[in-house]
Amino acid sequence: DIQMTQSPSTLSASRGDRVTITCRASQRISRWLAWYQQKPGKAPNLLIYEASNLASGVPPRFSGSGSGAEFTLTISSLQPDDVATYYCQQYDSYWTFGQGTKVEIK
Amino acid sequence: EVQLVESGGGLVQPGGSLRLSCVVSGFTFSTYNMNWVRQAPGKGLEWVSYINPTSSTIYYADSVKGRFTISIDNGKNSLYLQMNSLRAEDTAVYYCARASAWSGNPYYFDNWGQGTLVTVSS
Repeated sequence: DIQMTQSPSTLSASRGDRVTITCRASQRISRWLAWYQQKPGKAPNLLIYEASNLASGVPPRFSGSGSGAEFTLTISSLQPDDVATYYCQQYDSYWTFGQGTKVEIK
Repeated sequence: EVQLVESGGGLVQPGGSLRLSCVVSGFTFSTYNMNWVRQAPGKGLEWVSYINPTSSTIYYADSVKGRFTISIDNGKNSLYLQMNSLRAEDTAVYYCARASAWSGNPYYFDNWGQGTLVTVSS
């Protein structure tokens, strides 16, 4: 099974800050990685697929990069609406999620 | 507009059974693969099961294999999850999730329902 490890687990930053979340796979997964945003009490929402492709309707302040086994999600200018938990997901072999990164505003 | 609406959750005793449903609209259900994903209270996301439109390909997570059964009814635009021999650790919000459209590439999940809560407790 492919394991996904996200860091950090929690992140606190100020409005307008650049924020980066890292996701590492236990084996190479090419570019088969997605990122989801989940706000409290809501279903996950697709942000990024194939490591760097922005899903429809997602603000351009979100971006993804990486390939192989190391990936990043970047929010270029953190907004109050971005307060959420973010999950990476590999879909190279079945589907596995990272443990999540909770993003807060200072 | 794509919509997925789950139902069927509730309180059930350990060892009991429950059947979840997910009714979809806004897309041609019979052309998409579907999934169930769960989230225990305060925890992360766990993929549970996958089914293709003809039910010829079905996968389960090891944690539910032999106890859960996924199925579809294309005529009713519905996805189901029959859950038997339920355990306390099956307590979670269960989401149905649509797999991305066929492109020759592996599938991610591009649309999710709002979830239904299953609580396994005596």
